[in-house]
Amino acid sequence: ILNVEQSPQSLHVQEGDSTNFTCSFPSSNFYALHWYRWETAKSPEALFVMTLNGDEKKKGRISATLNTKEGYSYLYIKGSQPEDSATYLCGSQGNLIFGKGTKLSVKP
Amino acid sequence: DAGVIQSPRHEVTEMGQEVTLRCKPISGHNSLFWYRQTMMRGLELLIYFNNNVPIDDSGMPEDRFSAKMPNASFSTLKIQPSEPRDSAVYFCASSPYPGQGTEAFFGQGTRLTVV
Repeated sequence: ILNVEQSPQSLHVQEGDSTNFTCSFPSSNFYALHWYRWETAKSPEALFVMTLNGDEKKKGRISATLNTKEGYSYLYIKGSQPEDSATYLCGSQGNLIFGKGTKLSVKP
Repeated sequence: DAGVIQSPRHEVTEMGQEVTLRCKPISGHNSLFWYRQTMMRGLELLIYFNNNVPIDDSGMPEDRFSAKMPNASFSTLKIQPSEPRDSAVYFCASSPYPGQGTEAFFGQGTRLTVV
């Protein structure tokens, strides 16, 4: 994998559903893996920065895992709320190149 | 700290004119990034500075685009001449050093419209 790739591109869930997205990144010369939350008409804001293989981080209902050997990270949202609606960006390496993001829409 | 400050917030210019976007990073941050938001590519990295030195400018679309960082507290992104397809939101971000696991902080963006 030469670039950061995210899937799915978009996701529609009902309030209360739990969901997860995937980020794939180049596993060679790994430095750090970033997750950002980007609301419409605002600027991206950092959720997690992970550096170690096997890292798991949690912030409220949102958590993330990291596998640097195989080059992937998962972001989980438990009990989605309408305010979770945003684009979730994954970025990798020192020059912070992002994937195209996963756009999450949570219906009340 | 006031965060990353970008100016102007909105810019409307005519095709062929020179446009300069400005960014003031957070004091003490070593890395600065310029991004462009497009429908096709999402948040596209244009150029990355570390300690005021351009490290990766492979994302700069063409020679009409140039970026400078004359000191640790100021950077510019210049488009000359501008074209309608340059219309986009341009973001600046700074970080202590993202490769060491530190997050980047984004400015509010400059919405550029070239007519």
